[in-house]
Amino acid sequence: QVVLTQSPSASASLGASVKLTCTLSIGHSRYAIAWHQQQPEKGPRFLMKFNSDGSHTKGAGISDRFSGSSSGAERYLTISSLQSDDEADYYCQTWGTGIRVFGGGTKLTVL
Amino acid sequence: HLQLQESGPGLVKTSETLSITCTVSGGSIRNNSYNWGWIRQPPGRGLEWIGSIYYTGTTYFNPSLKSRVTISLDTSKSQVSLRLSSVTAADTAVYYCARDEVLTGLFDYWGQGTLATVSS
Repeated sequence: QVVLTQSPSASASLGASVKLTCTLSIGHSRYAIAWHQQQPEKGPRFLMKFNSDGSHTKGAGISDRFSGSSSGAERYLTISSLQSDDEADYYCQTWGTGIRVFGGGTKLTVL
Repeated sequence: HLQLQESGPGLVKTSETLSITCTVSGGSIRNNSYNWGWIRQPPGRGLEWIGSIYYTGTTYFNPSLKSRVTISLDTSKSQVSLRLSSVTAADTAVYYCARDEVLTGLFDYWGQGTLATVSS
C-alpha cells in the first residue's frame, strides 16, 4: 500500500519562499497527489492536484503563489512571497482503487 | 457554490455508536463524477480517511476501520451519513465530510468539520 511521508515542520520568513516535500513510498513514484492546506481551527482546503508528468490542476481561487513540482518519488509544494495567513498545516494526499491516503502533514511557520 | 455541513451529537459514550450527518448544498449528491467521503482528525494529529460512498451506494473503507463503519446516502435530503460503532476515546476527533472525485480520488471540497468526543 502506498505511504506518503512529510517532514513534520518547516519555517520561512515573511515574503520569502518555502518548498514543502511529500515522498511517495517505493514502487509508487508515478502516483499523482493532491495538496491541501489547513489553517488553524479551520477545515482543510484543496490547493492543487499534481501529476508525475508535471501537469497540475489548482482548486478554485488558489493563488499563483502556490505551485507544484516533482522529482522521482518526491512531490513539492512551493509557496512564494509568504504571507502570515500561509501559516498552516499542509497535507499531501494520494489514492488508489478503493483507497485514499494522507501524509502526516507539515506544519509551516511564517517567521 | 458547493457547501458541505456536518452535524453530530458532540458527545458520545464509550462503546456506543457515533452518528454524524453531512448535508450537501449547491450541487447534486447524485453527480456520477463524485464519491462522498469521511475523514477524521484526532486533536493535534493528522488526517485519516474513514471511507467514501458513490451515489449508487457502493462504499470503500479504510481497512483499519472497516469492521465498525457504515456510510449511507439519503438522496432525497442530499445527506451523507457516517456511523461508527463501539467507540472508544481513540475515536475522539473532528469528523469532516468531503467530495471525492471518482476519476482521481482527490478531495476537492471539504466541510468545516464537527467535533465528536467519546467519554464514559
